Amino acid sequence: SQKIEQNSEALNIQEGKTATLTCNYTNYSPAYLQWYRQDPGRGPVFLLLIRENEKEKRKERLKVTFDTTLKQSLFHITASQPADSATYLCAPAYDYKLSFGAGTTVTVRA
Amino acid sequence: EAQVTQNPRYLITVTGKKLTVTCSQNMNHEYMSWYRQDPGLGLRQIYYSMNVEVTDKGDVPEGYKVSRKEKRNFPLILESPSPNQTSLYFCASSTGGGVAFFGQGTRLTVV
Repeated sequence: SQKIEQNSEALNIQEGKTATLTCNYTNYSPAYLQWYRQDPGRGPVFLLLIRENEKEKRKERLKVTFDTTLKQSLFHITASQPADSATYLCAPAYDYKLSFGAGTTVTVRA
Repeated sequence: EAQVTQNPRYLITVTGKKLTVTCSQNMNHEYMSWYRQDPGLGLRQIYYSMNVEVTDKGDVPEGYKVSRKEKRNFPLILESPSPNQTSLYFCASSTGGGVAFFGQGTRLTVV
């Protein structure tokens, strides 16, 4: 079965710095990959989607890259703010089914 | 407003007492699914449905049942809950292969 690994469970960074999160998957490449944000006790909220033929996608201070050779996606939060503190989930899609990584918790210190 | 609504939000029950968690979406999505989330394990899919009367097992279906009689509703049924089903449950809906919209979550405790 597909295995999805997200980098260390927690990432602590200073406000204004860039947070970089890693998502690695095994086996075959997904048709596309999504990133979600989850706040404690709440449902995940969609942030970005990147397709297998796209190298990079941006949305405001967020950037996602997708490297099918490395089987890896990187998620960047630039100019981070305390409000960005949350857990970020990587979700590759296979045959219309999303599989989720365990998530990386980001804490941005003021 | 586009939304997925789950009920109840919190539930404490005893082992063996059947329960149902309801899920309803107003976006006319074909695809609906149920997940459970446990610390360190992330979101694991329990069951999914690609349309009315079409359901299939996800990664952790044991101890759960679902039905999809109407497009908007996808209830999760625990016929005989056990303590290892204590978890945070999420319902989600999407167009096939599209962005998933999640409900608010149901925190279930089985004692």
